[in-house]
Amino acid sequence: DVKVTQSSRYLVKRTGEKVFLECVQDMDHENMFWYRQDPGLGLRLIYFSYDVKMKEKGDIPEGYSVSREKKERFSLILESASTNQTSMYLCASSFKVLASYNEQFFGPGTRLTVL
Amino acid sequence: LAKTTQPISMDSYEGQEVNITCSHNNIATNDYITWYQQFPSQGPRFIIQGYKTKVTNEVASLFIPADRKSSTLSLPRVSLSDTAVYYCLVGDDGAGKSTFGDGTTLTVKP
Repeated sequence: DVKVTQSSRYLVKRTGEKVFLECVQDMDHENMFWYRQDPGLGLRLIYFSYDVKMKEKGDIPEGYSVSREKKERFSLILESASTNQTSMYLCASSFKVLASYNEQFFGPGTRLTVL
Repeated sequence: LAKTTQPISMDSYEGQEVNITCSHNNIATNDYITWYQQFPSQGPRFIIQGYKTKVTNEVASLFIPADRKSSTLSLPRVSLSDTAVYYCLVGDDGAGKSTFGDGTTLTVKP
C-alpha cells in the first residue's frame, strides 16, 4: 500500500513563528502536493512539485514556501505564521504520466493552530 | 483550470442509489474527471476516474455526457458508512495540477 505520512497530526504555534510541515511518501512518486482545507472552502492547492528541487505555485501560495530536496520528501514552510493560517494541511503524492491523470494519495493531515 | 460546482449537501437513506452531479463547463480537452471520498479527520481517498461515457468499478459508477461539461457519480445502495464528503476533481496531470470542487456532504440516514 502507498503510504503518505505527515510529521504531526496536531500542531500549535504562535504568531510569527516559523513552521515546518513535513511529508514523506514511500512509492517513488514524482508529484507531491500541499493543500489546505477549511470549512466551506474545500481543498485548495498551495504548492506542488513534479520533481526534486522543482516547485510550482498553486492557487494560494502567499505566505508559504516549499522545499523538495529528496524525491520522497516535500516540506511546507510558513515563514512567519499568522492566525489566518490556522487550518488542516494535507499532503498528497502521485505518479507523473503525461496526458493522463493519476490518483493522488493523501496523508492523514496536520491540523495547525496558530495562536 | 476548470472550475467545478457541486451541491453543498445531500441526504439519502440506506439502500438507496445516490447520484451526485458536478458541473465543469470549462473542462479542457486533456482533463480527466475524478472523484474522491473523504471521511472526518482523514485525507481524501480516490473513488473513480473517467474521461468520457461511463466508467464502473466495485464502488461506484461515473457518467460523463458527450460534451463533458458535467459528470455524475452514482453510488448504488448506500449504507451509513457512505456518509462522507465527495469531491469532484478536474484536471490534467501533465501539469501535475488539478482543481478540487468544494465537495458534497452526503448524509445517509437509517
